[in-house]
Amino acid sequence: RKEVEQDPGPFNVPEGATVAFNCTYSNSASQSFFWYRQDCRKEPKLLMSVYSSGNEDGRFTAQLNRASQYISLLIRDSKLSDSATYLCVVPPRGYNQGGKLIFGQGTELSVKP
Amino acid sequence: NAGVTQTPKFRILKIGQSMTLQCTQDMNHNYMYWYRQDPGMGLKLIYYSVGAGITDKGEVPNGYNVSRSTTEDFPLRLELAAPSQTSVYFCASSYSPGRMNTEAFFGQGTRLTVV
Repeated sequence: RKEVEQDPGPFNVPEGATVAFNCTYSNSASQSFFWYRQDCRKEPKLLMSVYSSGNEDGRFTAQLNRASQYISLLIRDSKLSDSATYLCVVPPRGYNQGGKLIFGQGTELSVKP
Repeated sequence: NAGVTQTPKFRILKIGQSMTLQCTQDMNHNYMYWYRQDPGMGLKLIYYSVGAGITDKGEVPNGYNVSRSTTEDFPLRLELAAPSQTSVYFCASSYSPGRMNTEAFFGQGTRLTVV
C-alpha cells in the first residue's frame, strides 16, 4: 500500500457544485494531516490542516476517519477559482519517524462555468 | 520575508553536464526537502534533511546528491544530467513534520530541461 494515495481525478464540475476528494494513508500513527493547493505547477501552498476529527474554513471542510485511515476534502459552492490540483500530505509521527514528507499524487479539479 | 528561495528559476542543460540547484530558507526550519514534479504527476521526494549535517534519501534519489552544511542552505547537485531529469524541482522547509502546526513552505521552483 502506498504511504499516501489520492483519488486520481480529474474532477470536472460545474460552478456551484459540491465536490469531495479522498486521501488514504498507511501510517496509522500519523497525527497531523494537511491539504495543499497547487496552481498550474506553481509551488504548493497550504490549504487546510487537520489534527482531530475535522476542520472547516468557509466553503472547505476537511474530515478525518482514523478507523479507515483516510481524510477527505469537501468543497461546497465551487468557484472557477477553485480549479487547481489538491495535494494530500500525511507526515510521519514523531522525530524518530524521520522527515519523509510524502505527498499524494494530487487530485485535479476543474470547475466549469 | 524571503521564506524559501530557489535559484535558478529556469535552466537548460546538455546531456552529461552538471549543475547545482540552490535553496536557502530564513525561517530557521530544521527540516528541508527536495522534490521533483514531472508533467501531470505529483511531487516525488528526492532527498531530505532533518538538520545541518544530516541528509537522507527520499523516493527517487538516483542521479542526485545533497549536502546540508548550514541550517539555511540545502543545495541539490545533478551529476551527468540525463533527459529523464527534465522536471520542475521544488525545495521546501518546515519544522519537524510529525509535530502539530507544522506547515511546509515551498520555493517557487526550478524548471530544468536536459537536452
